[in-house]
Amino acid sequence: NAGVTQTPKFQVLKTGQSMTLQCAQDMNHEYMSWYRQDPGMGLRLIHYSVGAGITDQGEVPNGYNVSRSTTEDFPLRLLSAAPSQTSVYFCASSYRGFNAKNIQYFGAGTRLSVL
Amino acid sequence: SQKIEQNSEALNIQEGKTATLTCNYTNYSPAYLQWYRQDPGRGPVFLLLIRENEKEKRKERLKVTFDTTLKQSLFHITASQPADSATYLCALDLGYALNFGKGTSLLVTP
Repeated sequence: NAGVTQTPKFQVLKTGQSMTLQCAQDMNHEYMSWYRQDPGMGLRLIHYSVGAGITDQGEVPNGYNVSRSTTEDFPLRLLSAAPSQTSVYFCASSYRGFNAKNIQYFGAGTRLSVL
Repeated sequence: SQKIEQNSEALNIQEGKTATLTCNYTNYSPAYLQWYRQDPGRGPVFLLLIRENEKEKRKERLKVTFDTTLKQSLFHITASQPADSATYLCALDLGYALNFGKGTSLLVTP
C-alpha cells in the first residue's frame, strides 16, 4: 500500500503564481485534511473533507481552495501565492468507521517556498 | 478557544534514561488523546491513543497517562535510545481532524 502520496515534494513559486498541491490516498478513508507546519507554530489545519463532495474550512483557510471529487484525491490550490505561504504542507487521511478514533495517516509533505 | 501546550524547549537526556514529555490542554473535554512521532523531513506517525476512562496505556517502551482532572497527558519513553530522538506531538480530536500541540523535540545522546 502506498498510503498517502503527496506531490510535488518541493516547489518554489514567485509571488502571485498559482499552483496545486496533489494528495492521493489508497486506503478508502472518508476523512482527508490539509495542514501547514511552520517553525514554532506546529501543525495548523487549512481545510478538511469528510467525504467526496464535502469540504470545509479549518483554522487558516485564507488563500487556499480545495475540492474533493473522489474519495482518493484531495488537491490543495494556492490561488495567488504570497511569501506568508512559505511552509511545509501535509495531507492526512483517516478512517471514520465505528471505533476508528480518527487516527491520522500523513503524507511525506510538500516543501513550498514563495519568493 | 481550545489550546494544547507542550514543552517548547527541547529535552536532552542520556541513553538508558526515561524521557517524560508533557501535554496540557484547556477549554476542551476530549474523549481521547493521541501521540505522534515526527522525524525531520517526514510526516507525523501515530504512536498511541488513550481514552478518557483509561489512566494509562503501554506499548513496548512507551507509556502514556491521561488525567482529565488536571487536563494533562504524560508521555514516557523508558530505556531511551538515540533512535528515539525525534519530535513528539500530542493531538486532540476535533471530530473531523486533529488539533495538534506544537511538539517537543527529544534528543537522546549515547
